[in-house]
Amino acid sequence: AQSVTQLGSHVSVSEGALVLLRCNYSSSVPPYLFWYVQYPNQGLQLLLKYTSAATLVKGINGFEAEFKKSETSFHLTKPSAHMSDAAEYFCAVSTTLDGSSNTGKLIFGQGTTLQVKP
Amino acid sequence: ETGVTQTPRHLVMGMTNKKSLKCEQHLGHNAMYWYKQSAKKPLELMFVYNFKEQTENNSVPSRFSPECPNSSHLFLHLHTLQPEDSALYLCASTKRSGGRAVDEQYFGPGTRLTVT
Repeated sequence: AQSVTQLGSHVSVSEGALVLLRCNYSSSVPPYLFWYVQYPNQGLQLLLKYTSAATLVKGINGFEAEFKKSETSFHLTKPSAHMSDAAEYFCAVSTTLDGSSNTGKLIFGQGTTLQVKP
Repeated sequence: ETGVTQTPRHLVMGMTNKKSLKCEQHLGHNAMYWYKQSAKKPLELMFVYNFKEQTENNSVPSRFSPECPNSSHLFLHLHTLQPEDSALYLCASTKRSGGRAVDEQYFGPGTRLTVT
């Protein structure tokens, strides 16, 4: 079975500072991992995804994430926070029953609210 | 219209009402999902439809009744809801293919439901 844990329900950074949102996963097979962002009163939007190609994945809005198998982590980073980055961020893992086919389902973490201070 | 649309965006209903939420995807996808998002709780998967067939019902109470008439439309029929059903209901879609290949899910903006 697969699962994902986001460390820290709230993260606060100053504008221009580094953003680091943590995600750890559990999976007995190579995982497919996603980061989504949700702005107030909107649905979830894909930021980036890891599907076993390059371990450093670049996404939209200057975000990137690095897959580290040894640490079972997929942390999201951005070098310099903007006020517009304030939102809720979700890490998700694709599930598989047998390791050779996907179930079409995603398991989401609890979410991390990013606050950006002027 | 592009992407995934949901109507209405906001809905207030009494516990004895019957209402329906609508989702439409314009992406040529073949799988659709209903999620419930409550404050301070993880996203909860409610139903999954693949090629119009329901493949998952995550122990959702029968007062929620999904309908998928074709691969582009998904409905959630609501009746005799409880105040704890107040939440943001999100629809998503994806293109399922065989093997481990995974495409991301695309989400609609959600319907904010308040049960009074």
